[in-house]
Amino acid sequence: EAGVTQSPRYAVLQEGQAVSFWCDPISGHDTLYWYQQPRDQGPQLLVYFRDEAVIDNSQLPSDRFSAVRPKGTNSTLKIQSAKQGDTATYLCASSRDWGAQNTLYFGAGTRLSVL
Amino acid sequence: GDSVTQTEGLVTLTEGLPVMLNCTYQSTYSPFLFWYVQHLNEAPKLLLKSFTDNKRPEHQGFHATLHKSSSSFHLQKSSAQLSDSALYYCALSDQQGTGSKLSFGKGAKLTVSP
Repeated sequence: EAGVTQSPRYAVLQEGQAVSFWCDPISGHDTLYWYQQPRDQGPQLLVYFRDEAVIDNSQLPSDRFSAVRPKGTNSTLKIQSAKQGDTATYLCASSRDWGAQNTLYFGAGTRLSVL
Repeated sequence: GDSVTQTEGLVTLTEGLPVMLNCTYQSTYSPFLFWYVQHLNEAPKLLLKSFTDNKRPEHQGFHATLHKSSSSFHLQKSSAQLSDSALYYCALSDQQGTGSKLSFGKGAKLTVSP
């Protein structure tokens, strides 16, 4: 079974530039999560989907960040105008279904540096 | 709201010594507790999980017991190996119908030396 795939692995931007991150979850997993992991900190949830529906995006800086999962499979996270404070690793994860007991399977992440 | 506290930021051990990483939590509802491990340049992976009070799941020599009375889920291993060097995250999700929405602690970086 293929794991969660993310691209790109690395991105380096100047402040004000835009960037998109792409995630392909494990086949058949209906729930998809985006986490932000600043250096030396634990992952922090940004947004998550059940199929194509956004369940919770309350931690997503909505003025600059957006996330979609249009067909309930792949997902894209976009930063419109990056700031230095966005420097972090962006992790995508998926789980088989909805329950709180489910294991999250993470991708290797995209490491973003904003100069 | 839910929160997880891990007190050790950096832990350095000699191979063969016991490992203990602390995890305490706050949760409004009945929680599931998890330990995830992240090796250098790899994705976080599940190590252990538990929902049942006083039950001790084990995996790869690690174990953790969920104690609801003290809101703790400490990770232990009797003898550290070099390959255990990694970041360890304690996390929880609760059963209020929000799915597997994990809240992570800050993590503990374990370094095992010869």
